[in-house]
Amino acid sequence: QKEVEQNSGPLSVPEGAIASLNCTYSDRVSQSFFWYRQYSGKSPELIMSIYSNGDKEDGRFTAQLNKASQYVSLLIRDSQPSDSATYLCAGRGYNFNKFYFGSGTKLNVKP
Amino acid sequence: GAVVSQHPSRVICKSGTSVKIECRSLDFQATTMFWYRQFPKQSLMLMATSNEGSKATYEQGVEKDKFLINHASLTLSTLTVTSAHPEDSSFYICSARTPTVASSYNEQFFGPGTRLTVL
Repeated sequence: QKEVEQNSGPLSVPEGAIASLNCTYSDRVSQSFFWYRQYSGKSPELIMSIYSNGDKEDGRFTAQLNKASQYVSLLIRDSQPSDSATYLCAGRGYNFNKFYFGSGTKLNVKP
Repeated sequence: GAVVSQHPSRVICKSGTSVKIECRSLDFQATTMFWYRQFPKQSLMLMATSNEGSKATYEQGVEKDKFLINHASLTLSTLTVTSAHPEDSSFYICSARTPTVASSYNEQFFGPGTRLTVL
C-alpha cells in the first residue's frame, strides 16, 4: 500500500458547486497533512495544512482530517474554473524530513 | 507562506554538458531541502533530500554521481546534472522545509521549478 493514496480523477464539477477531494494514508504517515495545488506546467503551491482532527477553514477551502479512519479531504466551495488543477495530498512521516505525496487528483471545473 | 526561489527557470543545453540549478529559501533558514523531478503528466518523484552541511540522501535508483547536490548554507542548495543526456530532460523542482518548532507543521514550500531540455 502506498503511504498516501488519491483517486487520479479527473473530477469534474460545474462552476459554483462544491468540489470534494479525498485521500487516505497509511500508518507510516504521522500528524501533519498538506494540500497542494499544481497548475499544468507549474510547481506545487501549498494551500492548506492541517494537524488536528476535524475541520480547518480558509476562505473557500476546508480541510478535514479524520485520524481514526486515516483520511484527509479538501472541500472547495463555489468552485471556479480557475480552481481547475491537480491537487496533491501529502503527509509527513515520523521523520521530520519524510514527506509522502499522493499522485494527485485532477479537478476540472466547468463554466 | 515562505518563499523559495529557483534559478534558472529554463535551460536548454547540448548533450554531455553539465547544468547547475540553484534553490534558495528567501525568508527562512532551511536545514532541509528536497529535489524532485517531474515528467509530463506524471507524479512528483523525489530524487534526494539535502541537509545543510552534510551529504544528501538519494532515493533508490537516483545516481548520486550524476545528480550532484550541495547544500552549502541554510538558504542555498544546488543540483548539478552532470553529463546531461536527452533522457534527463524534465521539470526539476526544489522545495524547502520550514524550521522545526513546537507549533510548526514543518511545511514544505516549492520553488517555481526549472525546465531542462537536453538536445
